[in-house]
Amino acid sequence: ETGVTQTPRHLVMGMTNKKSLKCEQHLGHNAMYWYKQSAKKPLELMFVYNFKEQTENNSVPSRFSPECPNSSHLFLHLHTLQPEDSALYLCASSQDPEGLGNQPQHFGDGTRLSIL
Amino acid sequence: AQKVTQAQTEISVVEKEDVTLDCVYETRDTTYYLFWYKQPPSGELVFLIRRNSFDEQNEISGRYSWNFQKSTSSFNFTITASQVVDSAVYFCALSEAGYTGANSKLTFGKGITLSVRP
Repeated sequence: ETGVTQTPRHLVMGMTNKKSLKCEQHLGHNAMYWYKQSAKKPLELMFVYNFKEQTENNSVPSRFSPECPNSSHLFLHLHTLQPEDSALYLCASSQDPEGLGNQPQHFGDGTRLSIL
Repeated sequence: AQKVTQAQTEISVVEKEDVTLDCVYETRDTTYYLFWYKQPPSGELVFLIRRNSFDEQNEISGRYSWNFQKSTSSFNFTITASQVVDSAVYFCALSEAGYTGANSKLTFGKGITLSVRP
């Protein structure tokens, strides 16, 4: 098993659909993250969870709804998305119990999302 | 607010050439951490190195070397004798030290696309 696994790898959905992205980490880390990567833009942090508790919501629209049932799993529920939401969504994890930001994050391969 | 600038957007070199990727950062904190990540076409970001603000010693790892200069707020990355497999997007990132009750955030630069031609 690779460290951080994301499914699906590719997703095409209409604006009225509801879908979910899944992330699983096998590294025993306490913190998990969702990032959005759009073309020609820096990675944008969306959400941070530390020990299953959300510690960061970077002004993300409510059509993105995260869920973290335990420290190993992270979901991103999608509904009523817009074409500008098409991007690569990356999940990451780190061992950073105190939130000091000094530990490297380990990333998954991402989900390539296309909104029709 | 923290900021990372990677002024170069695309670099193309011929195999075996040396190449330096620039990174300039801004922060008001005295304690912070700098990272380099590599993103190959598969999409996964691969961690390359971490440097904390108190350690200005340069580091070499095989063909990779990093030059951290606090005086110029730069953390440049050099690949010696580049290879085709080095082709990827390279990101520099900055994390300010978190404080009690809040998590530190990782801020990325826009990335540099490196193409190494045979």
